[in-house]
Amino acid sequence: AQKVTQAQTEISVVEKEDVTLDCVYETRDTTYYLFWYKQPPSGELVFLIRRNSFDEQNEISGRYSWNFQKSTSSFNFTITASQVVDSAVYFCALSETSGSRLTFGEGTQLTVNP
Amino acid sequence: EPEVTQTPSHQVTQMGQEVILRCVPISNHLYFYWYRQILGQKVEFLVSFYNNEISEKSEIFDDQFSVERPDGSNFTLKIRSTKLEDSAMYFCASSERQSYGYTFGSGTRLTVV
Repeated sequence: AQKVTQAQTEISVVEKEDVTLDCVYETRDTTYYLFWYKQPPSGELVFLIRRNSFDEQNEISGRYSWNFQKSTSSFNFTITASQVVDSAVYFCALSETSGSRLTFGEGTQLTVNP
Repeated sequence: EPEVTQTPSHQVTQMGQEVILRCVPISNHLYFYWYRQILGQKVEFLVSFYNNEISEKSEIFDDQFSVERPDGSNFTLKIRSTKLEDSAMYFCASSERQSYGYTFGSGTRLTVV
């Protein structure tokens, strides 16, 4: 069965600090997808990134970067120079190509203080 | 950019009443999903739907729940007899292919009183 663990329940940083959100996953499939979503206080789920299991290249998008390491089953998310608007709950999620469900982690509440 | 549309955004219902949550998926998507998020908790999979039938469902999706695609555009989730513990945010999602490229709606907050 697939499982996603986000061990950090809450993180609080001061604006302009870098912050890394951890995600560890479990799956028996060899082909799968990993996702990050942002959930701001308004409640919607905002898609940030999708990664397939065959692509271990790290990705950078502006202040966001992702580090995918199959050897440790981790898909960590770093925000550089954090801003107050980054305050949200961030979810890591996994889908297996053998099934149709998206399994979410428990989420990490990030608070960026001015 | 194409969107998944959910209505209503907030619904209050009395315990024991039936509710129907509505979703309009992206038009060329073939897979449809419902997820639930109890306040302060993680997002949980309820059901996936493809080719006019349920393709997968979770243990949460019991006989109280049903899904339907009544026409070419809508996708609905019905809860037959609501309980207090059904209070949650319900998200609809759609994707072009299985397990790939989910687009979520903005959710319906269901409050059962």
